[in-house]
Amino acid sequence: EPEVTQTPSHQVTQMGQEVILRCVPISNHLYFYWYRQILGQKVEFLVSFYNNEISEKSEIFDDQFSVERPDGSNFTLKIRSTKLEDSAMYFCASSEATGNQPQHFGDGTRLSIL
Amino acid sequence: QKEVEQNSGPLSVPEGAIASLNCTYSDRGSQSFFWYRQYSGKSPELIMFIYSNGDKEDGRFTAQLNKASQYVSLLIRDSQPSDSATYLCAVKRSDNDMRFGAGTRLTVKP
Repeated sequence: EPEVTQTPSHQVTQMGQEVILRCVPISNHLYFYWYRQILGQKVEFLVSFYNNEISEKSEIFDDQFSVERPDGSNFTLKIRSTKLEDSAMYFCASSEATGNQPQHFGDGTRLSIL
Repeated sequence: QKEVEQNSGPLSVPEGAIASLNCTYSDRGSQSFFWYRQYSGKSPELIMFIYSNGDKEDGRFTAQLNKASQYVSLLIRDSQPSDSATYLCAVKRSDNDMRFGAGTRLTVKP
């Protein structure tokens, strides 16, 4: 069964450094998403992306975050100047279409900021 | 008011029993509703989705939706120890903005 793949599985970064998290969505999916989950807390929506544009974003997705589809397969989340509170699990998801279509999640990248 | 509310549990049921998980949401305009299962340290795994009022069955799982009451539930019949996980209710506020509840931790005891 096709799946969403994320790399790396664990990223350790010094506070203030930039970090890029990578995702390869399911190949025929057109809509891409990033979520984060701080340890012990709920999964939080960050951003959705379609046709090379952000379609929606949450209040969490501020100027330190950006997303990009640099080529035909990768979808990336960049955090410009990391803070301690950015430590979390970051999940990428994709869906074939929007609306009622379900989103399928990757295994996540655990980001640890020191 | 939280966007998506779930009883955090833990909910404990004996093996073979029915587990009932509940979720309420605040945005009356929400149209699509999803149940995910999350094992500790793992990613959310889709179980079911529902967007019409009533019941939807898939194997041992039944999702129920009542938009007038802003209520979604998930029933798990013949619960197995492998069903022990956190169950996440997710609600789409719009086409691409999906919000999760905090999850209900379910333990199925052999």
